[in-house]
Amino acid sequence: GQQLNQSPQSMFIQEGEDVSMNCTSSSIFNTWLWYKQDPGEGPVLLIALYKAGELTSNGRLTAQFGITRKDSFLNISASIPSDVGIYFCAGHYSGNTPLVFGKGTRLSVIA
Amino acid sequence: GAGVSQSPRYKVAKRGQDVALRCDPISGHVSLFWYQQALGQGPEFLTYFQNEAQLDKSGLPSDRFFAERPEGSVSTLKIQRTQQEDSAVYLCASSLTRKEKLFFGSGTQLSVL
Repeated sequence: GQQLNQSPQSMFIQEGEDVSMNCTSSSIFNTWLWYKQDPGEGPVLLIALYKAGELTSNGRLTAQFGITRKDSFLNISASIPSDVGIYFCAGHYSGNTPLVFGKGTRLSVIA
Repeated sequence: GAGVSQSPRYKVAKRGQDVALRCDPISGHVSLFWYQQALGQGPEFLTYFQNEAQLDKSGLPSDRFFAERPEGSVSTLKIQRTQQEDSAVYLCASSLTRKEKLFFGSGTQLSVL
């Protein structure tokens, strides 16, 4: 099936630092989505991107849909302890295909 | 209910047992999805329902996996003759329509011994 390559696999950062993670695909995607998953819970949608080049913010989070439609990044500014969790990129590579997820970036924030 | 509800939260099964996992989607949501999430991995698509119709079951790993949504609301994922490789978190998600935002349940963690 379609593969999403997400990096880094894990990050340890100091509270207050900015974070950047990205996702690439060998195929063109029509939508890019970023989710956060806390332990024992299902993923929760953070940001959805629908057009190439789109840059969208949600509070301290900013995500962009790459121009080539094969990549996306997520930035978190001024990290806080509650940002800890696993962040997943996901996308649809055509209109009616199921949502495909990356393997996740595990974020740890050191106070 | 306010969100997607899944039961049980945890299920331990002996190899060879059959299990049934339940999903209560958000009321009024037409679309329902099942995903399998292995330890340390992202969720992987299993199957999709629009109302009671199962429109996509391309992700079901074998014929031991069966899903139904007979009245277009509650869905059940059944795994027959469980194997150790079936151990995973099974996530259910619903959305108003297929193209709308997905709301996930907390999942059922299945451990096959």
